[in-house]
Amino acid sequence: GQQLNQSPQSMFIQEGEDVSMNCTSSSIFNTWLWYKQDPGEGPVLLIALYKAGELTSNGRLTAQFGITRKDSFLNISASIPSDVGIYFCSSGGSNYKLTFGKGTLLTVNP
Amino acid sequence: DAGVIQSPRHEVTEMGQEVTLRCKPISGHNSLFWYRQTMMRGLELLIYFNNNVPIDDSGMPEDRFSAKMPNASFSTLKIQPSEPRDSAVYFCASSLNRRDQPQHFGDGTRLSIL
Repeated sequence: GQQLNQSPQSMFIQEGEDVSMNCTSSSIFNTWLWYKQDPGEGPVLLIALYKAGELTSNGRLTAQFGITRKDSFLNISASIPSDVGIYFCSSGGSNYKLTFGKGTLLTVNP
Repeated sequence: DAGVIQSPRHEVTEMGQEVTLRCKPISGHNSLFWYRQTMMRGLELLIYFNNNVPIDDSGMPEDRFSAKMPNASFSTLKIQPSEPRDSAVYFCASSLNRRDQPQHFGDGTRLSIL
């Protein structure tokens, strides 16, 4: 089946630092979505991307849909303690099914 | 607005017992998805419904798993008989059946089979 390669697997950063994570695939997708999951909760949508080359921001978060449609990145600027969690990339084709990356565990030291 | 509602939040039961997980999608959403999350395999899609009809159940592990959606506001995922390897967090998600409408997740059911 289709797979997403998400990296890094984990990150340990100091509060105030910027963060960057990405996902790549061997397949072309029509949609890239970034979710965040806090302990004991379900994934919550952060940013949705629907067009190759699209760059979208949501507060301190910025994500881009790669021009080749095979990759996406998520940046977090000026990290704060509540940014801690697992970040998932996901991508979808024409059938509305989503494939998820394995996640990036972010730890922010105050 | 109410999000996706799942019940129970936690379930602990002995192997061999029947387990039923429940989901109420967001009102108006016509697609519903069941996922399983484990440390080893991450988030896996088990089955999804569109307009109450199962579209793709290729992710259902085996015949012990079954899912139904009797109406637009309710779905169940049943495991019978349950086994310890079924222990995981099970998520339900819903969306509008359009490319520009993302999936919204419930808070999951943490299932432990002893």
